[in-house]
Amino acid sequence: AQTVTQSQPEMSVQEAETVTLSCTYDTSESNYYLFWYKQPPSRQMILVIRQEAYKQQNATENRFSVNFQKAAKSFSLKISDSQLGDTAMFFCAFMKHYDMRFGAGTRLTVKP
Amino acid sequence: NAGVTQTPKFRILKIGQSMTLQCAQDMNHNYMYWYRQDPGMGLKLIYYSVGAGITDKGEVPNGYNVSRSTTEDFPLRLELAAPSQTSVYFCASRQTDDNEKLFFGSGTQLSVL
Repeated sequence: AQTVTQSQPEMSVQEAETVTLSCTYDTSESNYYLFWYKQPPSRQMILVIRQEAYKQQNATENRFSVNFQKAAKSFSLKISDSQLGDTAMFFCAFMKHYDMRFGAGTRLTVKP
Repeated sequence: NAGVTQTPKFRILKIGQSMTLQCAQDMNHNYMYWYRQDPGMGLKLIYYSVGAGITDKGEVPNGYNVSRSTTEDFPLRLELAAPSQTSVYFCASRQTDDNEKLFFGSGTQLSVL
């Protein structure tokens, strides 16, 4: 089974600065999908960004971008111009067909 | 569209009681999932279904059962509640295309005392 590891339980960043959240995964598959989800205190799960493993180009969505290193099985999330509303749990997720697994999460706090 | 609807939102059970967490989606999604999220932790897959009549175990299936008699509904049953099942339960669904995001319900906070 695939595993997803997020090695940073908690992180903090000053408003307007940049922060990078780490994620590594273990799989023997060659084609798969990776996601970052945000969970604010409301408990809602919000898709932040997705990446197809067969695409070399890193995905970007406004202030969010990823650094996808397929050989290293690494999928980090960079948040630029951090905003107070970014304070949340961030989860990295791996998907192959029906199987979708999540990491333990990183709690991000944006400080004013 | 309502999306993924979970009921109830909160529930307190006594040890040994049984209950069913309801999940319904109106997007005609084939894949449906049940996850549990323990405090400060990530989501762990309990069961999933790839279509009506087809279910399979995830990472942490012990103590739970599911059924999928229709495309829309995917109930999760706890037969003999234990304190270790205190958690937030999320139901989710998606289309079969691999790049499709999961649609999540709002979660059920369950406490077993």
